[in-house]
Amino acid sequence: QSALTQPPSASGSPGQSVTISCTGTSSDVGGYNYVSWYQQHPGKAPKLMIYEVSKRPSGVPDRFSGSKSGNTASLTVSGLQAEDEADYYCNSYTGSDNVVFGGGTKLTVL
Amino acid sequence: QVQLVQSGSELKKPGASVKVSCKGSGYTFISYVMNWVRQAPGQGLEWMGCINPYTGNPTYAQGFTGRFVFSLDTSVSTAYLHISSLEAEDTAVYYCARQFCSGTTCYEHAFDIWGQGTVVAVSS
Repeated sequence: QSALTQPPSASGSPGQSVTISCTGTSSDVGGYNYVSWYQQHPGKAPKLMIYEVSKRPSGVPDRFSGSKSGNTASLTVSGLQAEDEADYYCNSYTGSDNVVFGGGTKLTVL
Repeated sequence: QVQLVQSGSELKKPGASVKVSCKGSGYTFISYVMNWVRQAPGQGLEWMGCINPYTGNPTYAQGFTGRFVFSLDTSVSTAYLHISSLEAEDTAVYYCARQFCSGTTCYEHAFDIWGQGTVVAVSS
C-alpha cells in the first residue's frame, strides 16, 4: 500500500486560509469516507483534528475543516494562527482493517 | 483522565529484540482497538497495524509482518509491541494510538488518544 500524497509544505499569513491536499486512489481515499487528519508539533504526539472526512472531535476549533472530492481529500485551516504551525498528516481506511498515512505537510505561518 | 503511557527509550544493538509497552488508563481497555504507528527520524507517520483487545486478533500492515508482533495483557490494560532481529532501519519513535469512538460508532481510521512515543535506537 503506497502512502497518500501530500505537498511537503504549505504556508500562509496570520488570519489567512490555507488548504492542504491528500491524494490517494479509488482503493483508499476515493473508496471510503474514512479520512482523518492529524496535527503534530515538533517532539509531540499527533493530535486528531478531523475524522470521517469532515467531522471534528470535541475540542477542535471550527477553523479546521475537511472535505473530499474523488480521490483527493483536503484540510482547510481558516483564520491562521501562530499555533497552527505544525506538521499535518492525513490517513485513510483502505479496506480489510488497513489504514495508510500521507507523507505529511509542514505548515508554516508566515 | 484517558491516557496511554508508553515505556521508556531503548538503545539496542543490531540483531537484538525489544518490547515496547503501552498502558491504558481512564477507559475500558478492551473496548477500543489499539494501533501502532512508527515515525522514523525526520520522516512521516507509518501505520504498522492494530490489535483488538476484545478478541486478541492482530492485523499487520504490509512491511510489518514477521519481525513485528503485537500482544496484550488485558489484566493490566497493556498492549505490547515486540520487534525481533532489530536493524538500523528500525530506529524510530513508536507510538501506540487508541481507535476513536463516538457514541456507539468506532472508526478504524481515526486515532484519538496517543501514547507519548517510545524512541527505539538501533546501533552497533
